[in-house]
Amino acid sequence: DTAVSQTPKYLVTQMGNDKSIKCEQNLGHDTMYWYKQDSKKFLKIMFSYNNKELIINETVPNRFSPKSPDKAHLNLHINSLELGDSAVYFCASSQDEKLFFGSGTQLSVL
Amino acid sequence: GDSVTQMEGPVTLSEEAFLTINCTYTATGYPSLFWYVQYPGEGLQLLLKATKADDKGSNKGFEATYRKETTSFHLEKGSVQVSDSAVYFCALTTGNQFYFGTGTSLTVIP
Repeated sequence: DTAVSQTPKYLVTQMGNDKSIKCEQNLGHDTMYWYKQDSKKFLKIMFSYNNKELIINETVPNRFSPKSPDKAHLNLHINSLELGDSAVYFCASSQDEKLFFGSGTQLSVL
Repeated sequence: GDSVTQMEGPVTLSEEAFLTINCTYTATGYPSLFWYVQYPGEGLQLLLKATKADDKGSNKGFEATYRKETTSFHLEKGSVQVSDSAVYFCALTTGNQFYFGTGTSLTVIP
């Protein structure tokens, strides 16, 4: 039933590891996003895909690589995790100027 | 470039108090304006929107009016409840990209 679902909800890992976060939307939207929210709740756009094509790629380390196998999925892979990557990552989709967010993945890098 | 500035928090109010959260924007085109709300442990969800000057968005007792002359979209509620405790984000879009304010944390005490 969930419109935008992302997994896992919590991710605890060591520095230097590689991890992935998965996102799926069942709303039929063409555009999907990844946002990063820091501990002060500041929300920063990372990537945006429209119908599997990358349209926004903000200044993000190239250790972060999004992958969109189809327009309903936008996964985020992170290589060589660093302490500063600890944050909550939100997937979202949009249509008609409305954003629909997943419930977030809290990433803790130790 | 386009941007949103909203008042810093945190804001603490007693139940039934009047709420105002200020938001101003800068945009080159004619943006649509939004308020999103984030409850603890959840993703952002759309609270209300306005698409043109003098439009008023409203939902769940919250209101905001699109003021082009002052480039503002202040959020108001006449009588807050404990259940309104959340982080509130002002946002705009002129196309596929959304710009968010830094968020204002609201705590309502009984």
